[in-house]
Amino acid sequence: NAGVTQTPKFQVLKTGQSMTLQCAQDMNHNSMYWYRQDPGMGLRLIYYSASEGTTDKGEVPNGYNVSRLNKREFSLRLESAAPSQTSVYFCASSEARTQPQHFGDGTRLSIL
Amino acid sequence: DQQVKQNSPSLSVQEGRISILNCDYTNSMFDYFLWYKKYPAEGPTFLISISSIKDKNEDGRFTVFLNKSAKHLSLHIVPSQPGDSAVYFCAAFRRQLTFGSGTQLTVLP
Repeated sequence: NAGVTQTPKFQVLKTGQSMTLQCAQDMNHNSMYWYRQDPGMGLRLIYYSASEGTTDKGEVPNGYNVSRLNKREFSLRLESAAPSQTSVYFCASSEARTQPQHFGDGTRLSIL
Repeated sequence: DQQVKQNSPSLSVQEGRISILNCDYTNSMFDYFLWYKKYPAEGPTFLISISSIKDKNEDGRFTVFLNKSAKHLSLHIVPSQPGDSAVYFCAAFRRQLTFGSGTQLTVLP
């Protein structure tokens, strides 16, 4: 009963380092998403993939890249990490973009 | 420019009483609205939704009300239970989900 699995759960990086956050879902969902959550704020959409083979920018895409590797997996890459990217990152999936999203438990990322 | 606002960061309610969580939005083009619940160190979980063509949707102890003229959404939980203590996010959808900042609900035994 895994649902959406995110790895790693925690990570500390130094400014300028790169890193890829992994996300996989086992619900055969078509759409996948990456959000970030900062203190006192709601979740903000970074990128999404409406279906396998497509990706689109969300509200806050700068500094990030994504890859929809296959239907199950959607990764988020920070090429050159900055302290402003310290956040909790959530991956989500849904059957279609108009359906409720299912979230993973998050990756807590600190950039020093 | 916050399109979805939850103006109460926190709410405390006695067990058995009604909890009312509120949400305001500015974009009249939103198609439907959702509530998510979030426990610490977990991801949000979907609770209930409502289409913009309806004004009420019920699911067990949870009822969502939509007042389109006021651009206002509320979630009623009756009766409230200690296990309902969590952060509640409202979200609105048009092409993508836009989340409010959340309300921490504490249900006191």
